[in-house]
Amino acid sequence: DAGVIQSPRHEVTEMGQEVTLRCKPISGHNSLFWYRQTMMRGLELLIYFNNNVPIDDSGMPEDRFSAKMPNASFSTLKIQPSEPRDSAVYFCASSPYTSGANVLTFGAGSRLTVL
Amino acid sequence: AQTVTQSQPEMSVQEAETVTLSCTYDTSESDYYLFWYKQPPSRQMILVIRQEAYKQQNATENRFSVNFQKAAKSFSLKISDSQLGDAAMYFCAYRATEGNEKLTFGTGTRLTIIP
Repeated sequence: DAGVIQSPRHEVTEMGQEVTLRCKPISGHNSLFWYRQTMMRGLELLIYFNNNVPIDDSGMPEDRFSAKMPNASFSTLKIQPSEPRDSAVYFCASSPYTSGANVLTFGAGSRLTVL
Repeated sequence: AQTVTQSQPEMSVQEAETVTLSCTYDTSESDYYLFWYKQPPSRQMILVIRQEAYKQQNATENRFSVNFQKAAKSFSLKISDSQLGDAAMYFCAYRATEGNEKLTFGTGTRLTIIP
């Protein structure tokens, strides 16, 4: 099991550019989560999907952020246009949707720096 | 809404000694899951231990154990025989068993191990 795979590990971009972060969940996991980690706000949920359908996107900061899950093995988080305040570590996590399991497995994170 | 509070931003312990990290939470649910995650400098989020609220017995994983006090809504983590590799940020997290599957995190406690 390769775990949750995120790319890129590091991204440095200039303000106004489009940023796309990618995630491959663990095979067989039905739920996928995008979290953002900053010093000021800690770990906050941006959005999560169940069976590829967005369930809770209340944490998405604004319209500049969008997330998709076109199939069970791939998800993207896009920021367009990016701003310096978007600088953070973005984590993807997946979980099997079965009662009793409920353990989120996290990827290694994507560190985004917007200049 | 559920909230998780970690009142100790930083803790330190002598190598081989025991340390307890505190966590309290607020929920109106009767059944839920609680977790401790570890985040070393590599920034990977690693599950340390989990507790089902319906179980009265405290969870234990090798040197890690919890003190779960449901009535007090308290969920502390005890690390015995502390090792240098235990140095990390520790996050307490809450997850409902029904409805929204997201993990709600506390702000974290940075644990330093003194050789």
